[in-house]
Amino acid sequence: DVKVTQSSRYLVKRTGEKVFLECVQDMDHENMFWYRQDPGLGLRLIYFSYDVKMKEKGDIPEGYSVSREKKERFSLILESASTNQTSMYLCASSFSSGSRYNEQFFGPGTRLTVL
Amino acid sequence: TQLLEQSPQFLSIQEGENLTVYCNSSSVFSSLQWYRQEPGEGPVLLVTVVTGGEVKKLKRLTFQFGDARKDSSLHITAAQPGDTGLYLCAGAEVGAGSYQLTFGKGTKLSVIP
Repeated sequence: DVKVTQSSRYLVKRTGEKVFLECVQDMDHENMFWYRQDPGLGLRLIYFSYDVKMKEKGDIPEGYSVSREKKERFSLILESASTNQTSMYLCASSFSSGSRYNEQFFGPGTRLTVL
Repeated sequence: TQLLEQSPQFLSIQEGENLTVYCNSSSVFSSLQWYRQEPGEGPVLLVTVVTGGEVKKLKRLTFQFGDARKDSSLHITAAQPGDTGLYLCAGAEVGAGSYQLTFGKGTKLSVIP
């Protein structure tokens, strides 16, 4: 079974703090993704990575950065947390296209609250 | 990015009832996935459909991909409280980025015992 783990299930931070969210997958997937999920807005893609050290902006990259130094690990960084970044953050991974119909496998999520 | 429209947004039914939820778009998809997400958890993949007209069954859940590969439906027979959750559809658009999915906003299902 695919296993995607996220470093924290719940996180409370203060405005202005630097926040690191980490995601690890154990299926040797090439692609990794960070989404945020908010009521009424659905899943919105923040960043994705299709290889080590490669990253692409998603739909809402402002205020976020990412790092992928190893294939299995993808980190999301909030440089200076703000209250409008309070959300559920979901990490996902998938094989490269053509082999698995782009199926994405999700971690359990991190509920981040910024005070 | 083209939208995937899901309907209804919310559905509350009694245990034992049948229901159908829909996922529609003007785009053609090479594949379409259905996920179920329980409160406070990440989405879990239920099924992938890839061929126009394809029907897949997962116990009491029946998934259908439209002939033109632009829409899909999920039918649940004799719903159980354990079916409660957010149902998301997601599609891989033909000609779009090879690893991205377009997600619908979901149908929130409550099955009342």
